[in-house]
Amino acid sequence: DSGVTQTPKHLITATGQRVTLRCSPRSGDLSVYWYQQSLDQGLQFLIQYYNGEERAKGNILERFSAQQFPDLHSELNLSSLELGDSALYFCASSVAEQGYTQYFGPGTRLTVL
Amino acid sequence: DAKTTQPTSMDCAEGRAANLPCNHSTISGNEYVYWYRQIHSQGPQYIIHGLKNNETNEMASLIITEDRKSSTLILPHATLRDTAVYYCIVRVYNAGNMLTFGGGTRLMVKP
Repeated sequence: DSGVTQTPKHLITATGQRVTLRCSPRSGDLSVYWYQQSLDQGLQFLIQYYNGEERAKGNILERFSAQQFPDLHSELNLSSLELGDSALYFCASSVAEQGYTQYFGPGTRLTVL
Repeated sequence: DAKTTQPTSMDCAEGRAANLPCNHSTISGNEYVYWYRQIHSQGPQYIIHGLKNNETNEMASLIITEDRKSSTLILPHATLRDTAVYYCIVRVYNAGNMLTFGGGTRLMVKP
């Protein structure tokens, strides 16, 4: 158990819908990272927040957004969902803004029908 | 971050040591070698990291060559539960944001 929690574990929805994925970092960690893992793309970095502020962006679609709240939990919002958005979404956390070890949560499996 | 090269797959007999190699010939002096593994769609699990000295923890040992151009992750007594994809990642310890995952090595531990 890494100490990072994610909810829900599974999510099934239809194309065009909007969903919210939630992540709680390890106690004491200020950085939260979001990654997407689809069958054909492997693990891809989406976005990072540090202490409430966006710090880095990867290949995140404009239909996707995230935020980190004062209690440091983070939410990833996915809108206008397409079939290709079906994937595993992982959250990771680390203690600092840059570098250091990232610890991953169990993930949310999103299925778009 | 430096690029890494790993074999696509490996087999290991249960109870034997699993030795997973990684080449990182373009590694810079301030870059560490990290190892993660992913067991069947679970979240990636941190295993170990090191700079130039060999490292050991309760999960594994990391052997880094003197020129730092390659490393080996050793699972001393592999069990069926060690079947996973193992990722070798090179990055600066206290800088950078994302982890860049390559294809990794799919380790199959067989009875």
